[in-house]
Amino acid sequence: GENVEQHPSTLSVQEGDSAVIKCTYSDSASNYFPWYKQELGKGPQLIIDIRSNVGEKKDQRIAVTLNKTAKHFSLHITETQPEDSAVYFCAASRGNGGFKTIFGAGTRLFVKA
Amino acid sequence: SQTIHQWPATLVQPVGSPLSLECTVEGTSNPNLYWYRQAAGRGLQLLFYSVGIGQISSEVPQNLSASRPQDRQFILSSKKLLLSDSGFYLCAWNPPGMGSDTQYFGPGTRLTVL
Repeated sequence: GENVEQHPSTLSVQEGDSAVIKCTYSDSASNYFPWYKQELGKGPQLIIDIRSNVGEKKDQRIAVTLNKTAKHFSLHITETQPEDSAVYFCAASRGNGGFKTIFGAGTRLFVKA
Repeated sequence: SQTIHQWPATLVQPVGSPLSLECTVEGTSNPNLYWYRQAAGRGLQLLFYSVGIGQISSEVPQNLSASRPQDRQFILSSKKLLLSDSGFYLCAWNPPGMGSDTQYFGPGTRLTVL
């Protein structure tokens, strides 16, 4: 079946450094790629998303890049802060109403002060 | 604005007991609704989704069932809980129609089966 692979599973960075999380998807028909942040004991919250007609999108300290040819996309967090510590999930969808959104396994990010 | 609620927030149940988790969405009509389960330290497993009242699709055959008695209400149930049903249950919604893929998650219910 279709899947999304996410790496690394755990990432530890020093405050102020950058963090990069990478995802690879298998369904070539995917055209929508959201990223979620999940804090301990809470539901995932959408932090940024990108559609297949765009190669890069930025929102303050976070950015997402997409390479459709290689079928991979990445989340970049610059100037990390302790409050960025959380689990991050990538996902891929075909744009047909969200029924078959495939999520990655998650990356646990630790930002050390 | 739209909001999504889940209750209870936390639940401890004995093996073999029934289960009912509720999810409601406010501020939208005819949303697509989803139930996910998240095992400790793991990813999101889609359990059920619904595109309308009484319309339920099951993704994983198991001990659970779902119902949608009203447009913005989604219920997850079990007649007899198993130890393996423990986990963090998340409800999500997205607007109906093509191109509305973003799913918005509720706060979750932590279920512990003893």
